[in-house]
Amino acid sequence: GAGVSQSPSNKVTEKGKDVELRCDPISGHTALYWYRQRLGQGLEFLIYFQGNSAPDKSGLPSDRFSAERTGESVSTLTIQRTQQEDSAVYLCASSTKGLFGTQYFGPGTRLLVL
Amino acid sequence: AQSVTQLGSHVSVSEGALVLLRCNYSSSVPPYLFWYVQYPNQGLQLLLKYTSAATLVKGINGFEAEFKKSETSFHLTKPSAHMSDAAEYFCAVSIGGTSYGKLTFGQGTILTVHP
Repeated sequence: GAGVSQSPSNKVTEKGKDVELRCDPISGHTALYWYRQRLGQGLEFLIYFQGNSAPDKSGLPSDRFSAERTGESVSTLTIQRTQQEDSAVYLCASSTKGLFGTQYFGPGTRLLVL
Repeated sequence: AQSVTQLGSHVSVSEGALVLLRCNYSSSVPPYLFWYVQYPNQGLQLLLKYTSAATLVKGINGFEAEFKKSETSFHLTKPSAHMSDAAEYFCAVSIGGTSYGKLTFGQGTILTVHP
């Protein structure tokens, strides 16, 4: 497709369940970012992938959060044992030039933990 | 650590009026600053960015922003609002270097344009 896509667009889950969010970056974009936006707050950086380098996980809030990316393709963000405070919009972005490229954002996944 | 504060979660203007969206930042090192816009049901897109060159930065759709170090501000302006400018606007900061892409965003400002 022409832009970054994310799935699902909405996810409702019960506290304690695991969830997996998917991001399809723009073809050819080597860098991929995950952000989180909780209600009433700005976007928070979570994790950054650049090619085959080790990801920068400095923004992950706890060890319940993990992300994977195979090469320069799809990425999945997994949240284990979800808590109500995990409810947020999770945004993915990709760019062509690693850290210095313009980031193109997907529409996000809205997660609600009951 | 860096942070961004956007003054006013909602701004309402009439079509043709000046648009002014306020952003103040905090950073221990010279910052890189960005404005993003999110139209309904779309992803965020970059409006403009300041990367330590000219302090007055021009972006798409007639928007511009001025970096004022003394005021730690990066306010977004447009001389004449159009109905199509209605959207949510986010200011973001980066400390550059190996953290350049790790943006810290403000809470966003929803711009409403009245006919």
